[in-house]
Amino acid sequence: EADIYQTPRYLVIGTGKKITLECSQTMGHDKMYWYQQDPGMELHLIHYSYGVNSTEKGDLSSESTVSRIRTEHFPLTLESARPSHTSQYLCASSEYTGELFFGEGSRLTVL
Amino acid sequence: EDKVVQSPLSLVVHEGDTVTLNCSYEVTNFRSLLWYKQEKKAPTFLFMLTSSGIEKKSGRLSSILDKKELFSILNITATQTGDSAVYLCAVRTGNQFYFGTGTSLTVIP
Repeated sequence: EADIYQTPRYLVIGTGKKITLECSQTMGHDKMYWYQQDPGMELHLIHYSYGVNSTEKGDLSSESTVSRIRTEHFPLTLESARPSHTSQYLCASSEYTGELFFGEGSRLTVL
Repeated sequence: EDKVVQSPLSLVVHEGDTVTLNCSYEVTNFRSLLWYKQEKKAPTFLFMLTSSGIEKKSGRLSSILDKKELFSILNITATQTGDSAVYLCAVRTGNQFYFGTGTSLTVIP
């Protein structure tokens, strides 16, 4: 069983609010990822990190930002949420050669 | 541009049927191919394939990779309603994972 946790699981907020989606893993993985997934659609990589103080933007343009100050923690922040940010956000981590472990996801609704 | 293509996009079968899901890819620096099952929540890991021609099996599910023709198949025999889900194929290249759009499988009792 994967030890990767996301909070909150569900969030409904108003336009313009700042939010942070938390992601923590206890497996000591260096690589962590944030994916965005709309219902019935594919996963899109929005941010990834190879280790502490390393962050990169993914293939999908995103107005969010991430930080990686500690190995186990990879939070994602939206400075000013808009309805177009309504989606499911999945955090994941991996070792160098292994599979990707996913958290339970954070489902965000912006009104 | 790296890409992963899955087919069919959706499939409806009756319990007991056998299904074959397809995944083809065009990527640089291939490392491995992974299959995931996604129900209402996050994807759960099924198989990781790195070598051609070696079948991986878990119960009624099996998968095989062809690195020459750049595809993989996922077989499910004697399907059950609990197999209803979206099946995702992902390819690892270096440090990134590229996902297909998934195959939505519905198993009717």
